[in-house]
Amino acid sequence: GENVEQHPSTLSVQEGDSAVIKCTYSDSASNYFPWYKQELGKRPQLIIDIRSNVGEKKDQRIAVTLNKTAKHFSLHITETQPEDSAVYFCAAGSGGSYIPTFGRGTSLIVHP
Amino acid sequence: DTGVSQNPRHKITKRGQNVTFRCDPISEHNRLYWYRQTLGQGPEFLTYFQNEAQLEKSRLLSDRFSAERPKGSFSTLEIQRTEQGDSAMYLCASGYGRPAFTDTQYFGPGTRLTVL
Repeated sequence: GENVEQHPSTLSVQEGDSAVIKCTYSDSASNYFPWYKQELGKRPQLIIDIRSNVGEKKDQRIAVTLNKTAKHFSLHITETQPEDSAVYFCAAGSGGSYIPTFGRGTSLIVHP
Repeated sequence: DTGVSQNPRHKITKRGQNVTFRCDPISEHNRLYWYRQTLGQGPEFLTYFQNEAQLEKSRLLSDRFSAERPKGSFSTLEIQRTEQGDSAMYLCASGYGRPAFTDTQYFGPGTRLTVL
């Protein structure tokens, strides 16, 4: 089955800095890579996703890059704000299994 | 609110009791997923439905767990003879369910189960 590793487990930045969270996956058949943000006590919310036919996708301050050869993908948040503080989860899935496998999460702390 | 809803939001029970949770997916979604999440972990897959058919179950889903989606709309997850290790957040998610396509999943707020 798929195995997703996520790093770092905790990331502390100053407001206005950039934050990068990295994930690796094991199944070369995986073709769907979502990122979720989960604030304390709330539901995971999809913030951006990418499918394997593209290498990069941006949405305002958030971007995701995918390297299928190396089997890794990253979340980039620019100009971080205190409200970006949350746990971020990556996941990887393929059309064959329909079930994304989640990483263990990164706790992002943005200091004002 | 047209998102995924779950009830109850919190459940406290004594070891050995049975509990049942309900999930109402987004109305046009064919697929419904159940996950378990413990502190410091990502969601762990339990089972999923395509319409009313339960198509896959994780080995995490012991024989004390059963899930149904009788009319392809809402789903229930029942845990019999609860154990303290069952304490977790139980998340439901739904997706459109296009063939040979991994869904974008939309999560509900979860049911937090505490087994005393």
